[in-house]
Amino acid sequence: EPEVTQTPSHQVTQMGQEVILRCVPISNHLYFYWYRQILGQKVEFLVSFYNNEISEKSEIFDDQFSVERPDGSNFTLKIRSTKLEDSAMYFCASSANPSVQETQYFGPGTRLLVL
Amino acid sequence: AQRVTQPEKLLSVFKGAPVELKCNYSYSGSPELFWYVQYSRQRLQLLLRHISRESIKGFTADLNKGETSFHLKKPFAQEEDSAMYYCALQTGANNLFFGTGTRLTVIP
Repeated sequence: EPEVTQTPSHQVTQMGQEVILRCVPISNHLYFYWYRQILGQKVEFLVSFYNNEISEKSEIFDDQFSVERPDGSNFTLKIRSTKLEDSAMYFCASSANPSVQETQYFGPGTRLLVL
Repeated sequence: AQRVTQPEKLLSVFKGAPVELKCNYSYSGSPELFWYVQYSRQRLQLLLRHISRESIKGFTADLNKGETSFHLKKPFAQEEDSAMYYCALQTGANNLFFGTGTRLTVIP
């Protein structure tokens, strides 16, 4: 069964550094998402992406964040200048189409630690 | 604004006992609700969605618009049900808003 994959599984970085988190969505899916979960808190929506542009973004997704689909398979989340509070688990998800009630399939997550 | 509340962070039940994981929501539109589950060292995965009115692994959930609830129930808990359970609300923009989750432990 196809799965969403994410790399790296863990990343440690210094405050102020740029990080790029990578995701490979399920191949025939068209809608992509990033969520994050700060330790002990709920999973929070960051951004959704469709047809090579952002569809929706939350208040968390400020100018420090960007997303890109650089080729036909990867979907990346870039944090330009990391802050301590960016430490979290970042989940990528994809769905086949943007209709309501369409299942979102999640990746295993990347644990980011900002020191 | 939308909100999903799961009042119990931790819930322990004995094997064979009934289990109910509570979820309440607040949303001005027509709610689309899901339960996601995360087993130990596994990824977040869909358990069930309200529109399907299905039973998955013995779990059911009924949307009660009057009480704005979507509680997850199973009549007889099994050890393999031990996991983290998240209630989620999908808005018209297809984004998921999650509750804080309930960690269910089934005691043998």
